[in-house]
Amino acid sequence: SQKIEQNSEALNIQEGKTATLTCNYTNYSPAYLQWYRQDPGRGPVFLLLIRENEKEKRKERLKVTFDTTLKQSLFHITASQPADSATYLCALSPENSGYSTLTFGKGTMLLVSP
Amino acid sequence: GAVVSQHPSRVICKSGTSVKIECRSLDFQATTMFWYRQFPKQSLMLMATSNEGSKATYEQGVEKDKFLINHASLTLSTLTVTSAHPEDSSFYICSAPRATGGDTQYFGPGTRLTVL
Repeated sequence: SQKIEQNSEALNIQEGKTATLTCNYTNYSPAYLQWYRQDPGRGPVFLLLIRENEKEKRKERLKVTFDTTLKQSLFHITASQPADSATYLCALSPENSGYSTLTFGKGTMLLVSP
Repeated sequence: GAVVSQHPSRVICKSGTSVKIECRSLDFQATTMFWYRQFPKQSLMLMATSNEGSKATYEQGVEKDKFLINHASLTLSTLTVTSAHPEDSSFYICSAPRATGGDTQYFGPGTRLTVL
């Protein structure tokens, strides 16, 4: 069956360090992969999208990599700040889905300490 | 930027009653909207795809007669939880693609439903 796995344990890091979150998937051939941020009691907010033919995508302090051979995406936040504390969700869209249905991982909580 | 709103943000109801949740796209038209449900510490689970002017498409295991979806205009979709029970208590979130067939979605702020 199709699975999206994100580390269920919270990631605790010190302010200023780089946070790296992992998303692994099985039995998928995604056309693209997305990362969202979700704060408690709120809906997700889109951060980055990376396509299957892209290796890396950057946006300000964020960087996403996509390795379709390993079936893995890494999400990096450089120079992390306490305001970056949130749950980060990985989402996949099936190949040729027709429209933008998304399947989400459970998310990894990031806690950045001052 | 584009915004999706939901109303109400929180609702508490008695078992057996029905609850309607509205999802609006505020400055763009959405022929398609999605409804998700999220239990604590779980991932968002797609419940159904709401299509303007036609019937919704439900995911496997979601009862269409219990979760009624109406997408009567290009900016409004509603989800009605009929005869709600405590196990229906959850966080309900809607979303809409940025463009028709678009890759990314704008999500609403969510509605916390508690059924007593």
